[in-house]
Formats: sequence, structure tokens, C-alpha cells
Amino acid sequence: DAKTTQPPSMDCAEGRAANLPCNHSTISGNEYVYWYRQIHSQGPQYIIHGLKNNETNEMASLIITEDRKSSTLILPHATLRDTAVYYCIVPTGNQFYFGTGTSLTVIP
Amino acid sequence: DAMVIQNPRYQVTQFGKPVTLSCSQTLNHNVMYWYQQKSSQAPKLLFHYYDKDFNNEADTPDNFQSRRPNTSFCFLDIRSPGLGDAAMYLCATSRVLGLAGYVLFGPGTRLTVL
Repeated sequence: DAKTTQPPSMDCAEGRAANLPCNHSTISGNEYVYWYRQIHSQGPQYIIHGLKNNETNEMASLIITEDRKSSTLILPHATLRDTAVYYCIVPTGNQFYFGTGTSLTVIP
Repeated sequence: DAMVIQNPRYQVTQFGKPVTLSCSQTLNHNVMYWYQQKSSQAPKLLFHYYDKDFNNEADTPDNFQSRRPNTSFCFLDIRSPGLGDAAMYLCATSRVLGLAGYVLFGPGTRLTVL
């Protein structure tokens, strides 16, 4: 079962930063946090993952709190194409369960 | 490009008629997953293979079976599809999870049951 909780929906103005929160209070010391997104009718797309340090790639930044009980995915300049459902996932071993995710709508 | 391929992208079957969905990967990954995603829901893990070791989720119905004849291919067999089995079926692969990797998903097969 999913170990994460996320708000069901968020809006963001185009060009602004989108900050998507995730709670994972039961995370263990060696478990990673993964973020995916799913655009309508497509397979989920990997965005980023991290253990305890903040991570950045060409798509997004991942900020993990010091106690590792929560994290935030940041899309620095949201575009209309970022409208999707965003999933935060903490796997156990190779079991990769999805929670309900956050439906992000980017508004023109 | 290394990728996960699912065939067909759209499959129509009749109520009770067995159907097989296919997945292949070019990445030589150890783990292959099958998920079911119904409309407006999150993907639900059905089972996964770690190499040849099959791991079934406790709530996956017996109607769903899987085969992995080699590293590259994995099949989802639905023995007697019901109307409630209409969904998107997603195949995914990973080498291992953690620092070394992440899960890569295919585009999915949308199954319609008439």
C-alpha cells in the first residue's frame, strides 16, 4: 500500500513555480522518494528521486525535509504541458505502489 | 533508445474470452511490473517479477496470470475477462530501485471488454 499522502488537486498560474507537497511520515532511513507524473491517457513519466539531499534535474527540483517525513516537488516555471497528475512514491524493496496523487492544473 | 514496448496499444475482447497483453523491454532490467489503471484511479500493482521470481499482490484476482519467458518479455493473461476488467494495463521495468535506478513505464494497453 502507498506510504504517501498528497493533496488531491492544485492550480498554478502559467510561468509561476508549482510546489507540490507530499507527506511520507513512515519512511525508513534507506527508502527513496520518487516523483512521477501522468498526463492523460499516457504511461507515468519519471521526474526525479532522492534520499535525503535536495535534488535537481532538467525537469524539477526535489526538496526533502531534514527529518525526511515530507518532500516538495518544484516545477520552477510551470507551462500548460505540465498539467498532469503528480505522484509521490516511497517504494519498499521493489514494490512500487501509487497513492492518489495530486492533479495539477496550470492556468493560462 | 532503450524503452518499454507494449502491444497492442488497444485491445478489444469479449466477455469471458481469454486475452493476452504483451510487454517487452530493451534495457535488460531485472524487474518487470504489471499495473491495472481504471478510469480516474491511480495505477494498481497486480504483480511483479524479479528475474524469474514471481511476486503476486495479495488482492490480485486469480483471473490474472503472468509469464516471463525471458528477461526481455513479460505477458499478462486474463483468463476470463469481465466487464470490470476494462482498464489501462501498464507494464514497467526497473533494474533495481534506489540510487541505481527508477521504474520506467510503457505507454499502456487499453483493454475494452464487450
